Amino acid sequence: GDSVTQMEGPVTLSEEAFLTINCTYTATGYPSLFWYVQYPGEGLQLLLKATKADDKGSNKGFEATYRKETTSFHLEKGSVQVSDSAVYFCALSLIQGAQKLVFGQGTRLTINP
Amino acid sequence: DVKVTQSSRYLVKRTGEKVFLECVQDMDHENMFWYRQDPGLGLRLIYFSYDVKMKEKGDIPEGYSVSREKKERFSLILESASTNQTSMYLCASDRDRGHYGYTFGSGTRLTVV
Repeated sequence: GDSVTQMEGPVTLSEEAFLTINCTYTATGYPSLFWYVQYPGEGLQLLLKATKADDKGSNKGFEATYRKETTSFHLEKGSVQVSDSAVYFCALSLIQGAQKLVFGQGTRLTINP
Repeated sequence: DVKVTQSSRYLVKRTGEKVFLECVQDMDHENMFWYRQDPGLGLRLIYFSYDVKMKEKGDIPEGYSVSREKKERFSLILESASTNQTSMYLCASDRDRGHYGYTFGSGTRLTVV
């Protein structure tokens, strides 16, 4: 079945470090791909998305490129801040016949000053 | 801004009580979802609804039921609360079966004692 595999956490970085959180997927069709962020004590917020191969989603300095050949959607940020500390979820939905989003397990990110 | 509102941020209930978790969206979305989130298990889908009075079981429906009498409101019901239902509950809505991503509420942290 359709699934999303994320890099296991927790991930701890220093402020201004480069961030990569890996995400790969398995899908029978052509999915849309998403990154969500969850700050402490809150619900999930959509961070960015990409709906077709080679699309790049971006928001708040974060980027992810839809790579069909490697079935990946890795999240990157060039210089992280303490305020980026949160849990990040990768997710997919199929364009046709979609019933629901499929989420990865989440990756907890902590940024130290 | 579009909004999904969950009626309570924190709830404490006793074992055996009937518990209602309420969710309201103001976006005229047809699709609504209930998830629970537990450490190490990610997000798990309990129930979802694609229309008024419609409901579909998700991955873990046991011990839960739902009600959708109006388009904007989707209620999760714990018929007889148990301690293993202590969790964070997240409601979400969506306008196109996941293609554009979900909008989540802030969550209800339920403790059953």
